[in-house]
Parts: sequence; C-alpha cells; structure tokens
Amino acid sequence: GAGVSQTPSNKVTEKGKYVELRCDPISGHTALYWYRQSLGQGPEFLIYFQGTGAADDSGLPNDRFFAVRPEGSVSTLKIQRTERGDSAVYLCASSPDRQSSRKTQYFGPGTRLLVL
Amino acid sequence: AQKITQTQPGMFVQEKEAVTLDCTYDTSDPSYGLFWYKQPSSGEMIFLIYQGSYDQQNATEGRYSLNFQKARKSANLVISASQLGDSAMYFCAMRAGGTSYGKLTFGQGTILTVHP
Repeated sequence: GAGVSQTPSNKVTEKGKYVELRCDPISGHTALYWYRQSLGQGPEFLIYFQGTGAADDSGLPNDRFFAVRPEGSVSTLKIQRTERGDSAVYLCASSPDRQSSRKTQYFGPGTRLLVL
Repeated sequence: AQKITQTQPGMFVQEKEAVTLDCTYDTSDPSYGLFWYKQPSSGEMIFLIYQGSYDQQNATEGRYSLNFQKARKSANLVISASQLGDSAMYFCAMRAGGTSYGKLTFGQGTILTVHP
C-alpha cells in the first residue's frame, strides 16, 4: 500500500514569505508526527497529532510555526515570515494509533525547504 | 530530559563482514523504547528495529540485531553480512517516559560506508 507522502518534495522561498508543507499519512493512521532535520543532524520533534487534535506541540520553535489536521488525515505545517534558519528537511511520520506509535513510526520522504 | 549519543560520526566495513554501530542513551524513566532508523541518500527514514526497556531478549530483524545492555544504557546496532546497499546514515532514537505516544529523540547519526 501507499506510504506516507509529503508535498512538495522541495520548496524554495524568500525570507519573510509564508509556506505550507503537506503530509498525507498512511490510510487509517491516527497518529501523526512532524519532525525537522537540519543538515548533518538527527530529526527533532515538532508536533504530534492524535486524530484531529495536537496532543503535543512542545517542539514548535516559535509562534511562526503552526500545524493543522482538520479531518484527522492530511496535515499541513504552516510557517509564517520564514527565516533563513528555517531551512531544513521537514519530515512527517505516522503510526496506526497511539499504542502502535510507541513501537514504530513510518516516515515520509520529507520536504526540503530552502529559505533564501 | 532524554538524550541519545552516537559517538561514531563515520564507520567503514568490508562487504559481507559484520559491523556494530554504537548508541548510548540517558533517561530517568523506567519505561522507554529504543529504535534504529536507516536514512539513505534519498532522505527517507527507514525503520529497522525496536527494543523495549522491559524486553527480556535482544531484538532481531533479519540481518539486524540490537545489543541491549540496560545497565550500561547502551543499544548498539549490529549488522551482519554487510551489503553495499547498507551504506547510509543510521540514527538511534528513543521514546521515553510513561507518555502514551511515540515522540522520538534522535542521536546525531553515524554514516556507514560498505566497501566492496
């Protein structure tokens, strides 16, 4: 079956612009995570959704970052007034449910964001 | 707070030989899970293996095994019979605490190069 998909695969924007990154989890997966991976680093947690609600947004770096999952499937990560330091790969992962997510998460290919 | 340490920035191995990638962790929670992910140059994170803190036996998945030494807080990945396709970045990660979901903390990664 289809894995986690993310669009766009690459995004180049200018400093100060607004961007939206989309994640399509595996069908039926209720747990969804966003991570950010800077060059040469491991991924860092941003936010976790269980269903439609953000159960943990403690990893969002500041109020320029926001994420939604209105129908409990697709999620959008929104970044306002982008800064050069936001340049990174944004990874999405999903898991069948809260319990399953304790043992495995399935990652998408990521969106490479470059802020000029 | 949880911390994962991978002290080997890069490792080299001859094809068909075994290799061990080191991972140590730090947490005060009695319940936690340890993961290894592979990230090829394409960027996608591929789940390899999981070990729960209460699991009595070391986890194995095909050519991958996890050498779990709880007292030393280490969770090394052993890859047997290395293949050229094993060349990639490898991340150790931890899910800690009594939280009922799988927020992961990642290490810095180890780049593995398999020589023919």
